[in-house]
Amino acid sequence: GNSVTQMEGPVTLSEEAFLTINCTYTATGYPSLFWYVQYPGEGLQLLLKATKADDKGSNKGFEATYRKETTSFHLEKGSVQVSDSAVYFCALSFTASGSARQLTFGSGTQLTVLP
Amino acid sequence: DTAVSQTPKYLVTQMGNDKSIKCEQNLGHDTMYWYKQDSKKFLKIMFSYNNKELIINETVPNRFSPKSPDKAHLNLHINSLELGDSAVYFCASSQEYGGRETQYFGPGTRLLVL
Repeated sequence: GNSVTQMEGPVTLSEEAFLTINCTYTATGYPSLFWYVQYPGEGLQLLLKATKADDKGSNKGFEATYRKETTSFHLEKGSVQVSDSAVYFCALSFTASGSARQLTFGSGTQLTVLP
Repeated sequence: DTAVSQTPKYLVTQMGNDKSIKCEQNLGHDTMYWYKQDSKKFLKIMFSYNNKELIINETVPNRFSPKSPDKAHLNLHINSLELGDSAVYFCASSQEYGGRETQYFGPGTRLLVL
C-alpha cells in the first residue's frame, strides 16, 4: 500500500541553522507529494507541493524536490527562524476511488527553533 | 475570506452524548474530507464526499456519520461519544485539475470527551 515515512522528531535548531527533514514514500503509480505545516494551536497549511518527478516545490524559503529514483521528498531551508517552529507533515496523494484523491500523511516532525 | 471553516473550534462534552461538527468551504470545490488527528499528531482520513456522494469510508465506527447537504458543506455527527473520540478533527476540500489536486484544510475542531 501507500505510505510515508518521516524523520522522527523533535528537531531543535538555533536560529539561522540549516534545516533538513527527511521524507520517503512508498506508492504505486505517480503520486503528488506535499509538505503541510501546523503551527501551534492551528490547522494544517499547505507549505509546498510537487506533482511529478524532478519537480521542485518552494515557498517561504522552504524547498523540496520530488526524487523518483530515491522515492524521497526531503524538506530543506537554508536559514530557519523562530517563527518556523511548528509540526511539519509530509504527505502523498493518490486516487482512492472515483474522482476522490486520498492523502496519506507521515507521522509529523516537531521543529523548535531557538533564538 | 475564509476558505474552509469549521464550527465549533472547541467542543467539550460528556461520554455518551451526541454531537455534530460543521464544515463549510467557499472554494467551489467538488470534494470534501474529514480527517482525525490523534494526541500524537497522527493524521488519518475518515471520509470523503464528492458532489454530495460518499466516496471514501475508512474503517471508522458507525457512530460517526457524515452528511453532505450540498457541495459546500460536510458535517460530521458522532453518536454515543467515547473517551477515545477525543482528538482534533479536520475538514478539507479539494478540486481536481488535470489529474492533480491540492487539499485545503480547515482550522480543526478540538473535541474532548470527559
